[in-house]
Amino acid sequence: QKEVEQDPGPLSVPEGAIVSLNCTYSNSAFQYFMWYRQYSRKGPELLMYTYSSGNKEDGRFTAQVDKSSKYISLFIRDSQPSDSATYLCAMSEGKLIFGTGTLLAVQP
Amino acid sequence: GAVVSQHPSRVICKSGTSVKIECRSLDFQATTMFWYRQFPKQSLMLMATSNEGSKATYEQGVEKDKFLINHASLTLSTLTVTSAHPEDSSFYICSAPAGALYGYTFGSGTRLTVV
Repeated sequence: QKEVEQDPGPLSVPEGAIVSLNCTYSNSAFQYFMWYRQYSRKGPELLMYTYSSGNKEDGRFTAQVDKSSKYISLFIRDSQPSDSATYLCAMSEGKLIFGTGTLLAVQP
Repeated sequence: GAVVSQHPSRVICKSGTSVKIECRSLDFQATTMFWYRQFPKQSLMLMATSNEGSKATYEQGVEKDKFLINHASLTLSTLTVTSAHPEDSSFYICSAPAGALYGYTFGSGTRLTVV
């Protein structure tokens, strides 16, 4: 079993839709949870960064962490074509471990 | 704040030659640097962790003699791909923990093509 599982997609939604991206994990030692966005041929850029369980909101993005279920989510409201990218969840207890990434396409 | 500058962004080299990739932390001290490799349409795979002033720690299956890592200062870590082969062609990315506010910050990546 991989330490971090993420549905690779691809996920295609119409502009304005709410997008839900999810990851599950097996290592209960993970304390830091992150979501990165990666455009083609670029390095990942940090979207959301949370510590332990709970919700965090930043503009159109909301990150949720449920440590009891070992499950994290990223919600994107009012999705835009510019949100089209690969979204990677990542977790850390020292080393940063990534999910496989979900390719999102927002259709205008 | 918390920027990691990675160079070069793109390099093409001949098989058998060596290539050096540099990552510099511009406005913070990076005592640790993580080096990742990413193949097309795949996620980032951790290759090794470098710590300033000590030997790097390599992940299982990564050849330490092929991927030489040096972390000579608190702001510079380098990855040298020695005797490169076409199968080493990939996207290499560095990352450093940059504190509670910024989390882990990434370089812009280096696209290596070995011909």
